Amino acid sequence: DAKTTQPPSMDCAEGRAANLPCNHSTISGNEYVYWYRQIHSQGPQYIIHGLKNNETNEMASLIITEDRKSSTLILPHATLRDTAVYYCIVNISPGANSKLTFGKGITLSVRP
Amino acid sequence: DTGVSQDPRHKITKRGQNVTFRCDPISEHNRLYWYRQTLGQGPEFLTYFQNEAQLEKSRLLSDRFSAERPKGSFSTLEIQRTEQGDSAMYLCASSLAPSVGLGEYFGPGTRLTVT
Repeated sequence: DAKTTQPPSMDCAEGRAANLPCNHSTISGNEYVYWYRQIHSQGPQYIIHGLKNNETNEMASLIITEDRKSSTLILPHATLRDTAVYYCIVNISPGANSKLTFGKGITLSVRP
Repeated sequence: DTGVSQDPRHKITKRGQNVTFRCDPISEHNRLYWYRQTLGQGPEFLTYFQNEAQLEKSRLLSDRFSAERPKGSFSTLEIQRTEQGDSAMYLCASSLAPSVGLGEYFGPGTRLTVT
């Protein structure tokens, strides 16, 4: 079973920031938070991951609370192409023998 | 970098037939994963390989399913005696382990429809 909970859907206006929440209250000390997204009819795409520090890359920022029980994925300037299902996944450290456990994700709809 | 490729992209078969899917991972990746995804759900793990060794299989992988990665490069997933419940998107992913963690790279999937 997925160890994360996400609201089923949200929307935002094009050009605005999209803040996608995720709860992972049972996360263990050696588990990372990963975010993937899946655009319709495509395979999931890796976005970002983090352990406890906030992370930023060219796609998004990841904000993890100090107690690590929740996180927020931020798409700073959402575009119509960001419309997708976003999955928040808790997983043990990169490189370890582990598969991804996906939940249902959150469907982000970006409106013009 | 050509990414992960899967073939075919779509397959329609009649119940009871056997089907085989192929996955070509990113060339230097030593891990290869298979997932299954049904409508409205997230992908579910089926099995994974490190090089040619199959290291883990989900209980979802019934005895009608078999996966191979004979030379540690491409992989095949075969479903024997297909059932309508096998209709799904079958996703392949690859990764390099141990790695500093860019996650798994997914292919576009093979959509199976069993009639």
